[in-house]
Amino acid sequence: GAGVSQSPRYKVAKRGQDVALRCDPISGHVSLFWYQQALGQGPEFLTYFQNEAQLDKSGLPSDRFFAERPEGSVSTLKIQRTQQEDSAVYLCASSPNSNQPQHFGDGTRLSIL
Amino acid sequence: QKEVEQNSGPLSVPEGAIASLNCTYSDRGSQSFFWYRQYSGKSPELIMFIYSNGDKEDGRFTAQLNKASQYVSLLIRDSQPSDSATYLCAVNTNSGNTPLVFGKGTRLSVIA
Repeated sequence: GAGVSQSPRYKVAKRGQDVALRCDPISGHVSLFWYQQALGQGPEFLTYFQNEAQLDKSGLPSDRFFAERPEGSVSTLKIQRTQQEDSAVYLCASSPNSNQPQHFGDGTRLSIL
Repeated sequence: QKEVEQNSGPLSVPEGAIASLNCTYSDRGSQSFFWYRQYSGKSPELIMFIYSNGDKEDGRFTAQLNKASQYVSLLIRDSQPSDSATYLCAVNTNSGNTPLVFGKGTRLSVIA
């Protein structure tokens, strides 16, 4: 497929567990974004990569959230010691370099029990 | 703080009518404007983008931008039941790749 791929589609974890969410962007897309979408809300920015460089992480809600993109393609969003308020859909988007719209993956729906 | 405001709806229109979705934004430095459609349980899908004042048409969709009024709208002509979804307005402040600021979305219901 040519689109942004995210896995897993659904993740259920117990409070306190660590989780890792994966994003495989469109081939050749330099920019990669992570967003968090709560029920009934628009997506909210978490962090942004240009190739392997994390240029903006101002949206990460706490130091329990960590993202990486070590080779400039696949990215992983990790949440440590999960809390119930972390329950949301986590969306990944990618775009070609400069002045191009972002395209979203199907998201990972995270539920913390 | 950069804000994007949308009426949450639901906006109900009969099949075949024109649906008009509106969005205002607070940051005068915003340069790029996007409309995404999101079906329930699905990811946002890009519908339109507009960078300059005026109208931009693509099929049944028209995006309208008025930077002086900080207002952007989406018109859907000949609305179909399959257009029923949440429409998200998003803006960013640079023409390059910067994070999008989204509104909460307007839920559109097209009644057959």
